[in-house]
Amino acid sequence: KAGVTQTPRYLIKTRGQQVTLSCSPISGHRSVSWYQQTPGQGLQFLFEYFSETQRNKGNFPGRFSGRQFSNSRSEMNVSTLELGDSALYLCASSYRGAFSTDTQYFGPGTRLTVL
Amino acid sequence: AQTVTQSQPEMSVQEAETVTLSCTYDTSESDYYLFWYKQPPSRQMILVIRQEAYKQQNATENRFSVNFQKAAKSFSLKISDSQLGDAAMYFCASGGGADGLTFGKGTHLIIQP
Repeated sequence: KAGVTQTPRYLIKTRGQQVTLSCSPISGHRSVSWYQQTPGQGLQFLFEYFSETQRNKGNFPGRFSGRQFSNSRSEMNVSTLELGDSALYLCASSYRGAFSTDTQYFGPGTRLTVL
Repeated sequence: AQTVTQSQPEMSVQEAETVTLSCTYDTSESDYYLFWYKQPPSRQMILVIRQEAYKQQNATENRFSVNFQKAAKSFSLKISDSQLGDAAMYFCASGGGADGLTFGKGTHLIIQP
């Protein structure tokens, strides 16, 4: 099976802009979770989508949003970018997602730099 | 809520030797899983090993094994016969709750040739 893919791999944006990141899960997986990784805060949970519905959300402002399509592909959107949004954004897929004990498999990440 | 603590920011080991990475956790979940992930310089998070909390037997995967002490909320990773390719950041994580995976801050493992 093909692994989790994320596009684009690298992005450079300026403050105030908005950005959309994409994640394609492993075939058959219905859950996609997003994480932000920064040197200061480490890995933090953003949100999880399961069967096109946001099921859980971490402690992030409303500028961070997402959606999931019927084929389980997910997009994450960040509006009004701030310098502090510079990070590696990782998505992970699993069959049942949160509240289950399924292993989450990660994509290679999207490196976002905000200037 | 869950918390995961990795107290060793960096560890160094000679090639072919054994190293143990420490992790402690706290969780309010009655059913949870614990994981060790590896993140090499490519930044790809790779699953190393997982442990079901309800199992007493420690998980093993080839050269990787865990020492799971449920009462002490401890979950250490032992790497035997360390290889140069094992050099990476290692993250301990707990899962099974609503907030996805909760990760520790990571341990940077250096392999000395």
